[in-house]
Amino acid sequence: LAKTTQPISMDSYEGQEVNITCSHNNIATNDYITWYQQFPSQGPRFIIQGYKTKVTNEVASLFIPADRKSSTLSLPRVSLSDTAVYYCLVLMNTGFQKLVFGTGTRLLVSP
Amino acid sequence: NAGVTQTPKFQVLKTGQSMTLQCAQDMNHNSMYWYRQDPGMGLRLIYYSASEGTTDKGEVPNGYNVSRLNKREFSLRLESAAPSQTSVYFCASSIDSNQPQHFGDGTRLSIL
Repeated sequence: LAKTTQPISMDSYEGQEVNITCSHNNIATNDYITWYQQFPSQGPRFIIQGYKTKVTNEVASLFIPADRKSSTLSLPRVSLSDTAVYYCLVLMNTGFQKLVFGTGTRLLVSP
Repeated sequence: NAGVTQTPKFQVLKTGQSMTLQCAQDMNHNSMYWYRQDPGMGLRLIYYSASEGTTDKGEVPNGYNVSRLNKREFSLRLESAAPSQTSVYFCASSIDSNQPQHFGDGTRLSIL
């Protein structure tokens, strides 16, 4: 499984766009990128998943450059309720989805 | 729609006691998982069940056993609790083993 590196923490203000970048230099051809969000005292929640270029859903966008060695989770117009820890994971495209969580990025959104 | 339900939410044990953590999902998912999360850390996989009738070890299985009772339920047992097992335990499920996982809210376990 590819190792991921992401910032330990980020600060933002309500209404701003937040971009969290994850580095995964040794990503394999069949791997894809997944992001989870975790609030205090809750289990992680799946946000978005992608293989290349751009993926968008109702919550976030995921940008993946052509070399796929990094990815960026974009949260548009964050609110206080987006304060959470965000985990970037790289997973194999086939077989068992073994999640390996790092320490994540702790996002703090202030008024 | 309850999703993934874990019981109990909190538990305090003495060293050497045994305990079974319960997990049930109502989403008709095939795969289920148990993780532990220590303070300030990411989650680590203890055991998983890719489908009903199968279980396999994850990253940190020592000191634990699991039972996939049926498609809905997946329990985690500590036979002889140790202080090093103080943690928050999360159960998760997914449609299949290569699909996103849905997590419960955790069981906070303290072992004195």
